[in-house]
Amino acid sequence: KQEVTQIPAALSVPEGENLVLNCSFTDSAIYNLQWFRQDPGKGLTSLLLIQSSQREQTSGRLNASLDKSSGRSTLYIAASQPGDSATYLCAVYGQNFVFGPGTRLSVLP
Amino acid sequence: DAGITQSPRYKITETGRQVTLMCHQTWSHSYMFWYRQDLGHGLRLIYYSAAADITDKGEVPDGYVVSRSKTENFPLTLESATRSQTSVYFCASSGVSKQETQYFGPGTRLLVL
Repeated sequence: KQEVTQIPAALSVPEGENLVLNCSFTDSAIYNLQWFRQDPGKGLTSLLLIQSSQREQTSGRLNASLDKSSGRSTLYIAASQPGDSATYLCAVYGQNFVFGPGTRLSVLP
Repeated sequence: DAGITQSPRYKITETGRQVTLMCHQTWSHSYMFWYRQDLGHGLRLIYYSAAADITDKGEVPDGYVVSRSKTENFPLTLESATRSQTSVYFCASSGVSKQETQYFGPGTRLLVL
């Protein structure tokens, strides 16, 4: 059964810092991996989708990498801003969709 | 562009009652999904649908029923609500493939007393 973990569970950084969020999964037989952000009391917003054949995807200040063989993905956020404060979830699609528990990010002004 | 909407946004019901949560999308996406989000469990897939009249179970389908008579609607019914079904329910949709980006609705907070 696929298991997805995310480290750290929570992170607090000062504005302007570059940061890395980690996602690990146990079964490398996946079709893709997605990163989402969730604001308190809201739904999820898709940030990046990486197909299993890709190594990374970039959107603005966000860069996500995928190493399927080691079962890892990272989300890199450059020059963090207070508006980046949210919970970030990764989700892998293999036999089915499995979400990680999320990393709660606080960017302090 | 309405996107994907859910109703009601908040619902309080009693044990044993039937409850239906509605999901509507305006993109004509083929795939639609229902998830529940609970502290300590994260998001878990309940059911999904590949097209009208095609549905399949996810990780936690017990106690739930879905139907999809029209492409744009995907209601989720709790036939006899239990306290363990207190949760936040999210509907999502994606294009023509499960492998595409999923777009989520705002969620329905359900409290079963």
